[in-house]
Amino acid sequence: AQSVAQPEDQVNVAEGNPLTVKCTYSVSGNPYLFWYVQYPNRGLQFLLKYITGDNLVKGSYGFEAEFNKSQTSFHLKKPSALVSDSALYFCAVRDSGGYQKVTFGIGTKLQVIP
Amino acid sequence: DAGVIQSPRHEVTEMGQEVTLRCKPISGHDYLFWYRQTMMRGLELLIYFNNNVPIDDSGMPEDRFSAKMPNASFSTLKIQPSEPRDSAVYFCASSSNRGGGETQYFGPGTRLLVL
Repeated sequence: AQSVAQPEDQVNVAEGNPLTVKCTYSVSGNPYLFWYVQYPNRGLQFLLKYITGDNLVKGSYGFEAEFNKSQTSFHLKKPSALVSDSALYFCAVRDSGGYQKVTFGIGTKLQVIP
Repeated sequence: DAGVIQSPRHEVTEMGQEVTLRCKPISGHDYLFWYRQTMMRGLELLIYFNNNVPIDDSGMPEDRFSAKMPNASFSTLKIQPSEPRDSAVYFCASSSNRGGGETQYFGPGTRLLVL
């Protein structure tokens, strides 16, 4: 079985400071890892994904994530937070050998304080 | 492309009534997913289709829920009879089976309130 853990319900960061949203995963094979963002009253939007290759993945809106196989983590990062980054962030995983079924984390609310 | 289209955007109904949610996936996508989002349970996968065929419906909560995909451009999720605990936001998403690690594209959701 595959699973995702987002240990923080909420992350608060001051505007201009770096931000990190944590994610750890569990799969039986090699992982495909994703980050999505959800703004209020909207559907989820894709930010970035790791399939293979470089451990540092760059995505939309200046976000990046680092795949760490030994720690089974895929933390989302951004060097300088914007107030407009405030939203709900979901980490997701699926086994590369499996079907399309993706398991989503419970979400982390990011609050960027002006 | 217009993206994934869902209708209605909001639905208020009374307990016991039938509810039908609709989804039009992105043209060319061969996977379609139905999710339910609540504060208590987060985002739950209900069912997904590949080439219009249901592949995994293990997330469908009970027999009151049913989903169909009669063609590549249309899917429905039906609740009959509806109950207050079905109140949630229901999302449809689609993806294409190219290149591995396919990105899912979500619709805006249908906010359902069962009184």
